[in-house]
Amino acid sequence: DIQMTQSPSSLSASIGDRVTITCQASQDIADFLNWYQQKPGKAPELLIFAASKLETGVPSRFSGSGSGTDFTLTIRGLQPDDVATYYCQHYDNLPLTFGGGTNVEIK
Amino acid sequence: QLQQSGPGLVKPSQTLSLTCAISGESVSSDSAAWHWIRQSPSRGLEWLGRTYYRSQWFNDYAVSVRSRIIFNTDTSKNQVSLQLKSVTPEDTAVYYCARWESYGEYFEQWGQGTRVIVSS
Repeated sequence: DIQMTQSPSSLSASIGDRVTITCQASQDIADFLNWYQQKPGKAPELLIFAASKLETGVPSRFSGSGSGTDFTLTIRGLQPDDVATYYCQHYDNLPLTFGGGTNVEIK
Repeated sequence: QLQQSGPGLVKPSQTLSLTCAISGESVSSDSAAWHWIRQSPSRGLEWLGRTYYRSQWFNDYAVSVRSRIIFNTDTSKNQVSLQLKSVTPEDTAVYYCARWESYGEYFEQWGQGTRVIVSS
């Protein structure tokens, strides 16, 4: 199974800050990586697919980059509505696996 | 839209049964696959498996539950269901069904989640 390692597990940042979350795959997954946002009590929602493609309706302050084993989710200009847990997920093969999540809070 | 139903409390050794009713699309759609995922503090988001139709029905299951899990499809009701047998407290989690968009390759839509507690 491909292991997905996210860091940090949690962070606290100020409104307007740039926030960076990293995700590392245990083997090369090309760009077969998605990012999701999950708010408390809700199901995850897609933010980024194929490592860098923004899902329709997602604010442009979100962006994704990377390929191979190292990936990044960036939030440029953190907003109160961005308080959530963020997960990466690979789809290179089965089983699909998720990172452990990054909890983003406002300082 | 995916609407989940099923009990929130299951006794140890019994069978957990959940249903995911699909609206707005045929369960037999060739552009979708229907996955089950669970989430718990100890295991995080854990993929359980998928079912999809490509001229016939296919199922794939996670190794961790393969001996205990079954997916069924009811095309007349346009729904998929999950049965997990011989549950233990470790199966306590929020269970989700989710639609996998086969062309874009991502989870496009999720059910609302069902919190299942395994306890006597």
